[in-house]
Amino acid sequence: AQSVTQPDIHITVSEGASLELRCNYSYGATPYLFWYVQSPGQGLQLLLKYFSGDTLVQGIKGFEAEFKRSQSSFNLRKPSVHWSDAAEYFCAVGAAHNNDMRFGAGTRLTVKP
Amino acid sequence: DTAVSQTPKYLVTQMGNDKSIKCEQNLGHDTMYWYKQDSKKFLKIMFSYNNKELIINETVPNRFSPKSPDKAHLNLHINSLELGDSAVYFCASSRGTFTDTQYFGPGTRLTVL
Repeated sequence: AQSVTQPDIHITVSEGASLELRCNYSYGATPYLFWYVQSPGQGLQLLLKYFSGDTLVQGIKGFEAEFKRSQSSFNLRKPSVHWSDAAEYFCAVGAAHNNDMRFGAGTRLTVKP
Repeated sequence: DTAVSQTPKYLVTQMGNDKSIKCEQNLGHDTMYWYKQDSKKFLKIMFSYNNKELIINETVPNRFSPKSPDKAHLNLHINSLELGDSAVYFCASSRGTFTDTQYFGPGTRLTVL
């Protein structure tokens, strides 16, 4: 079965600084990859997803992610973080053959003024 | 208009009780899901359901059962509640399979005493 690892439990960045959140997956075939954001007390919102094609994916709120097959990674980036980006971020991998999705443990982002 | 709604938002109950959480989506989607998020923020898919197929995560106890009176609703019934069932439960929906964007409800925090 597929699995996801988010190595960083908690990251703190200053407002205006760049951001990279790491995600590594394990899956035998081409994965379906997602990044979701969860604000406190809210449900999850999809930031972006990758299925095939261009390995650099643009999402909402100025986020992007790059699929690197050789590294089994799908890291999320943003060039300049805003205070409103403080939230929990989840990477997920899906497998079409069993309609299953696996989420990472999440990375909590704190933004310093 | 709320796209995916859940009731109640909070649910506190005693061990051994039976409870239900309701979910409704007004997006016209064909597939609905239930997720469980534990105290460590780990998110796990429990069920995915459309009008053709129910897919159950094999690790979900049979005390949990989804009930869908129509395409817009997927309620979660839990029998004989246990302490370990305490978590936040999220409902979600998507147009087709999980590869389509999933829209999440705000969550129901279940506390079993």
